[in-house]
Amino acid sequence: EVQLVQSGAEVKKPGESLKISCKGSGYSFTSYWIGWVRQMPGKGLEWMGIIYPGDSDTRYSPSFQGQVTISADKSISTAYLQWSSLKASDTAMYYCARQGSSLGFDPWGQGTLVTVSS
Amino acid sequence: DIQMTQSPSSLSASVGDRVTITCRASQSISSYLNWYQQKPGKAPKLLIYAASSLQSGVPSRFSGSGSGTDFTLTISSLQPEDFATYYCQQSYSTLLFTFGPGTKVDIK
Repeated sequence: EVQLVQSGAEVKKPGESLKISCKGSGYSFTSYWIGWVRQMPGKGLEWMGIIYPGDSDTRYSPSFQGQVTISADKSISTAYLQWSSLKASDTAMYYCARQGSSLGFDPWGQGTLVTVSS
Repeated sequence: DIQMTQSPSSLSASVGDRVTITCRASQSISSYLNWYQQKPGKAPKLLIYAASSLQSGVPSRFSGSGSGTDFTLTISSLQPEDFATYYCQQSYSTLLFTFGPGTKVDIK
């Protein structure tokens, strides 16, 4: 079964750093793009960026360029999303998702809730 | 950047109703359009890809159509488990896959 499993919920203070993860299984991790999506409380889906674990080619939405870093460690089939200095406005659910050959995204991880509060 | 809009933003319908949701792109995206369903507290689920292809395991009451800038998602006979929010997403732009704002379908 193709599966993406994300790391657990995080509670952080403004200014702190954070790295959340997305582990793939059941498929060749290096052969598919992995995207990241933000969903702020009560809001819609926002495209953040995407990485190809095979060669770490990474692209960012202009809205998120410079705000986050996407990376991957293909040796452990895991993609990451990280912040160097969190803000309260980073409070959201973050999803990873695999892009299939159809260009649709499936499956999705279960989501990681990040709460940033002083 | 390609902008996506959806209409309506919400709708109320009854079980058995035929429901149609529209998605529009700010420029032609050929057939590079996906549809997702999201239920509260759950991750989105891919329903339709390439505008009209049904994802494996998705009930046949869901269908998609359109090309260029205008697309529709149709649920032929709404079921209780279909009450959710639906999002379109373009996959035309190289690696910048914007979503529409969503359409919430609730019970009348």
